[in-house]
Amino acid sequence: GEDVEQSLFLSVREGDSSVINCTYTDSSSTYLYWYKQEPGAGLQLLTYIFSNMDMKQDQRLTVLLNKKDKHLSLRIADTQTGDSAIYFCAETGGSQGNLIFGKGTKLSVKP
Amino acid sequence: SAVISQKPSRDICQRGTSLTIQCQVDSQVTMMFWYRQQPGQSLTLIATANQGSEATYESGFVIDKFPISRPNLTFSTLTVSNMSPEDSSIYLCSVEETRPVTDTQYFGPGTRLTVL
Repeated sequence: GEDVEQSLFLSVREGDSSVINCTYTDSSSTYLYWYKQEPGAGLQLLTYIFSNMDMKQDQRLTVLLNKKDKHLSLRIADTQTGDSAIYFCAETGGSQGNLIFGKGTKLSVKP
Repeated sequence: SAVISQKPSRDICQRGTSLTIQCQVDSQVTMMFWYRQQPGQSLTLIATANQGSEATYESGFVIDKFPISRPNLTFSTLTVSNMSPEDSSIYLCSVEETRPVTDTQYFGPGTRLTVL
């Protein structure tokens, strides 16, 4: 079945770039998404990429998609303490039209 | 995007009791989902809340344990019945929109449930 894998933790210093990686299994996914969950909050849609694109840039965020390897990454430039959160990768393709989520990567930003 | 609210935002309940969680959307939506996020885990779909008919449950979730109502296109409830400590989770409702792209899902703030 569908599965989305992410590393669980990432720690960076303020001002550095963060790269969060994700692998997925469903090659028929139309879109892939990145969501952010701050402590005590719900999921906020950060960005998405269409499956026939290689890259998408949105201000400090860059999404790279390697469809051959089913690998997705999210790069955050100039990481700030306010970027500390859990980041979820998600693909379309759930049996009910739902999204399939990874376990989330907890990003810690040190001053 | 749709604005989604949930009530309650958090609760602490005794085992054996039931809790009903409400999800309200500020616009009419066709697809509404309920997810569970257990501590340190990913989001798992419980069911799709269908307006005017029974909810569609994922494998491992049953109507007797998680009854769902969807009386109209802006509102749904999820009940967690006969709770045990294993039900301690965050419960999130989400809606599907076609903006910015099809299949985009937006989430409510979640209900944080602790069962003692």
